Amino acid sequence: DIQMTQSPASLSASLEEIVTITCQASQDIGNWLAWYQQKPGKSPQLLIYDATSLADGVPSRFSGSRSGTQYSLKISRLQVEDIGSYYCQQAHSNPDTFGAGTKLELK
Amino acid sequence: QVQLQQSGAELAKPGSSVKISCKASGYTFTSYDISWIKQTTGQGLEYIGYINTGSGGTYYNEKFKGKATLTVDKSSSTAFMQLSSLTPEDTAVYYCGGGPNWFAYWGQGTLVTVSS
Repeated sequence: DIQMTQSPASLSASLEEIVTITCQASQDIGNWLAWYQQKPGKSPQLLIYDATSLADGVPSRFSGSRSGTQYSLKISRLQVEDIGSYYCQQAHSNPDTFGAGTKLELK
Repeated sequence: QVQLQQSGAELAKPGSSVKISCKASGYTFTSYDISWIKQTTGQGLEYIGYINTGSGGTYYNEKFKGKATLTVDKSSSTAFMQLSSLTPEDTAVYYCGGGPNWFAYWGQGTLVTVSS
């Protein structure tokens, strides 16, 4: 199975700060990567798909990028509603696999 | 609007089985595959498999073969997942998901607790 190594595991940031979360794939997955946000007690919500495409209704302060097998999610100006956990997912090869998650908290 | 409505929480005894449902509305049911995902505090998110809602064809993550069985009832726009031979390690929240782009839509999750 493809391993997705996500970092950091937790992150504390201030409002309006730039936040970056990364996922390293264990092999080439092309652009077969998505990012999800999950708030406590809720289902995950799709933020980014195909590595860089913004899902419908997602604020433009979220963006995704790729450099080789490293993928990044960037929040340009952190808002209070962005607090939660974030996960990457690869769908290049079965089975789909997820990163372990990043818990984002307010400083 | 698109909705995936899952059945309620289950409390099951070790060795028993449970069957969770995921009822779709707001779109043509056979347009998207339905996938199932397990979430635990310790293991995070794990992909169980998916069912083609048109053909009924299935894919299972090797780890969940023999544990999960995916079925679909097109007449009621509902997908099902049966979990068998339950152990405490099966205690988790189970989600159904699908959509045109990745998992654009998710059910609200079903908590399965396995305890004697």
